[in-house]
Amino acid sequence: KAGVTQTPRYLIKTRGQQVTLSCSPISGHRSVSWYQQTPGQGLQFLFEYFSETQRNKGNFPGRFSGRQFSNSRSEMNVSTLELGDSALYLCASSSQGIGREQYFGPGTRLTVT
Amino acid sequence: AQTVTQSQPEMSVQEAETVTLSCTYDTSESDYYLFWYKQPPSRQMILVIRQEAYKQQNATENRFSVNFQKAAKSFSLKISDSQLGDAAMYFCAYRGSTGANSKLTFGKGITLSVRP
Repeated sequence: KAGVTQTPRYLIKTRGQQVTLSCSPISGHRSVSWYQQTPGQGLQFLFEYFSETQRNKGNFPGRFSGRQFSNSRSEMNVSTLELGDSALYLCASSSQGIGREQYFGPGTRLTVT
Repeated sequence: AQTVTQSQPEMSVQEAETVTLSCTYDTSESDYYLFWYKQPPSRQMILVIRQEAYKQQNATENRFSVNFQKAAKSFSLKISDSQLGDAAMYFCAYRGSTGANSKLTFGKGITLSVRP
């Protein structure tokens, strides 16, 4: 099976702009989660989608949003970018069960200037 | 809220030797899942091993094994016969068993270096 794919892999944006990141899960996986990784804060959970519904949400401002499509692909959007949004954004997918392990994509490296 | 603590920021091991990475966690749940992930310089997160809290038997995957102490809320990873390719950052992670706690909570990570 193909792994989790994320596009784009690298992105440079200017403060105030918005950005959309895409994630395609492993075939058959219906759960997609997003994480932000920074040197200072480590890995932080953004949100999880299951069957097009947000199942869980982390403590991020409303500028961070996401959605999931009927084919389980997911997008996350960050509006009004700030310098502090520079990070590696990781997407992970898992099968239906809540306790199932999550498999990660290669990440999108976002740089905000 | 659940927390995961990895108190050792860095460790080093000689090639072919054994190293143990420590992790403790805090939770009020009785049913949950624990994981170790590896993140090499490529930044790709790779699942190393998984442990269900209801299982008393420690999980093993080839050279990787865990020491799961539920009462002590401890979950350490042992790497046997260390190889150069094991050099990476290792993250311990917790995942609850209910929808509201289904997110992965990660520790800060341990950077493991392997000396040839």
